[in-house]
Amino acid sequence: GNSVTQMEGPVTLSEEAFLTINCTYTATGYPSLFWYVQYPGEGLQLLLKATKADDKGSNKGFEATYRKETTSFHLEKGSVQVSDSAVYFCGMTTDSWGKLQFGAGTQVVVTP
Amino acid sequence: DGGITQSPKYLFRKEGQNVTLSCEQNLNHDAMYWYRQDPGQGLRLIYYSQIVNDFQKGDIAEGYSVSREKKESFPLTVTSAQKNPTAFYLCASSINEGGAFFGQGTRLTVV
Repeated sequence: GNSVTQMEGPVTLSEEAFLTINCTYTATGYPSLFWYVQYPGEGLQLLLKATKADDKGSNKGFEATYRKETTSFHLEKGSVQVSDSAVYFCGMTTDSWGKLQFGAGTQVVVTP
Repeated sequence: DGGITQSPKYLFRKEGQNVTLSCEQNLNHDAMYWYRQDPGQGLRLIYYSQIVNDFQKGDIAEGYSVSREKKESFPLTVTSAQKNPTAFYLCASSINEGGAFFGQGTRLTVV
């Protein structure tokens, strides 16, 4: 069946370090892919998305490229800030309504 | 501003009680969803609805019930049959493959 797998956390980084969070998917058909961010005690916010192969989603310095050949959608940021500390969820949808399936989430902790 | 509103933000339930969590959206989205999040865990789908007066069970529907009488509203009832209801509950809505929008969540605690 369909599934999303992302790297386990926590990921601890110093400010200005490079961040990568791996995400791979298994799906029939051609899913749309997403990264969401969750700050403590809050709901999820859409960070970026890509709807077809080779699309690159970007927002707030974060980027992810939809790689069909490796079924991946890894999240990257070149220089993290303390304010990027949060839980990041990789998600996908394979239906036209947009019902999402998520990975387990990766906690990122950025220290000054 | 368009968005999704969940209420209350915090909710306390006594053993054996039913409680209802509210979710309202003014985004004109057809589909709405309820997810459960346990500490340090991912999101699990409880119920979803793609059209008024119709809804489907998700992965963990036992002990929960929903209704969808209006497009804007998708309340979730946590019944006494749910043995471990303490969790963070998130409501979301979507209109297509472009991504879902989430509310701010309701934290339910059994006392």
